[in-house]
Amino acid sequence: QLVESGGGLIQSGGSLRLTCEVSGLSVRNTYMSWVRQAAGEGLEWVAVIFGGGSTYYANSVKGRFTLSRDNSRNTLDLQMNSLRVEDTAVYYCVREVHDYAGIAGFDPWGQGTLVTVSS
Amino acid sequence: ETVMTQSPAALSVSPGDRATLSCRASQSIGTNLVWYQQKPGQAPRLLLYRTSTRATGVPARFSGSGSGTEFTLTISSLQSEDIAVYFCQQYDNWPFITFGQGTRLEIK
Repeated sequence: QLVESGGGLIQSGGSLRLTCEVSGLSVRNTYMSWVRQAAGEGLEWVAVIFGGGSTYYANSVKGRFTLSRDNSRNTLDLQMNSLRVEDTAVYYCVREVHDYAGIAGFDPWGQGTLVTVSS
Repeated sequence: ETVMTQSPAALSVSPGDRATLSCRASQSIGTNLVWYQQKPGQAPRLLLYRTSTRATGVPARFSGSGSGTEFTLTISSLQSEDIAVYFCQQYDNWPFITFGQGTRLEIK
């Protein structure tokens, strides 16, 4: 189970920290991502952290967002700085499934947390 | 970046009829394609991965096909609970994943 928190209303240029509380699996051994969805829009992959700790980011957030994890708390954190109006979206925490043959999609998904950036 | 284009944007199908949704990649992605279902007010749900493998608990009426740049999600006999938005996702350029814009499936 994945439970996101930390969303809210923030002014452009501000910062927010999203947290994903993970149960039933260990973040230490898992590929975990954030995916966002603006209202009425499609899905956009934001960032991933590998089991080994490497991180990758979408170009739209690179240099502004930082993904980390806390193995002791079994949580995932997304630090979002220099927020822009276009970052307004529901942010989902997801596990990236890998099986014997490779990638098997994002499952499960959290319920999402809404980030609203005002101008 | 691999751009994923879904068509149609919206589809209206009668209960019991077949629904066919398309997804096109801007470059070849092999069979590195996933489909998700998103019902109103809910998070997306994994449907199919590796183009055609159903996720746990997904009914057999959902099937996927294709390779390279052209992919299809087929619902063989539409049920009312299948009303949702369906998204395709490529992971050929992993970890830089991209999604299609979605197809809204409605009951006629």
